[in-house]
Amino acid sequence: RKEVEQDPGPFNVPEGATVAFNCTYSNSASQSFFWYRQDCRKEPKLLMSVYSSGNEDGRFTAQLNRASQYISLLIRDSKLSDSATYLCVVSPEYNFNKFYFGSGTKLNVKP
Amino acid sequence: NAGVTQTPKFRVLKTGQSMTLLCAQDMNHEYMYWYRQDPGMGLRLIHYSVGEGTTAKGEVPDGYNVSRLKKQNFLLGLESAAPSQTSVYFCASSPPGANVLTFGAGSRLTVL
Repeated sequence: RKEVEQDPGPFNVPEGATVAFNCTYSNSASQSFFWYRQDCRKEPKLLMSVYSSGNEDGRFTAQLNRASQYISLLIRDSKLSDSATYLCVVSPEYNFNKFYFGSGTKLNVKP
Repeated sequence: NAGVTQTPKFRVLKTGQSMTLLCAQDMNHEYMYWYRQDPGMGLRLIHYSVGEGTTAKGEVPDGYNVSRLKKQNFLLGLESAAPSQTSVYFCASSPPGANVLTFGAGSRLTVL
């Protein structure tokens, strides 16, 4: 079983739409959670950390549900520039050096 | 400030050849990592290092060796390349206790 699972998509949405991605993780001991963004043929870059109480950064909102072991990312008012692959990442508390990546969810925002 | 630099960016090898990928970071980060990324698999950790002179195995270490002789450099070696090692390789670094990974631009390796 994969440590982190994501729907690969693609999610095709018009500009201005709201879109949400979910990600599930298998290790209940996981303590740190993140969303990274990866543009085509580029390196991943941190989009935002995910905190237990949920957190927001502009048009982006991240939520954590420990009971169900899933993380979500909500993007409001989608822009063309949001088109990318979004990677869910978790890190287990007992080994902080390791980060487990989901395979990513591809988002295409259309004009 | 260059961040994390990987060389080479592209390489084509024949089965059985050897090569070394170099990762250099100028942020004085203690931790460094090598990942590979394959379609549908996500990034998988090959080896990592928590400091100069130390290395450890990740999820998929077989067929690879690493060295961290200097804090700023982390080398990934393929002793005898196989087609299954065709992938995009990413190096990353982070300070201790920090959640953020800073990645290099990637190295695309094809093994024929």
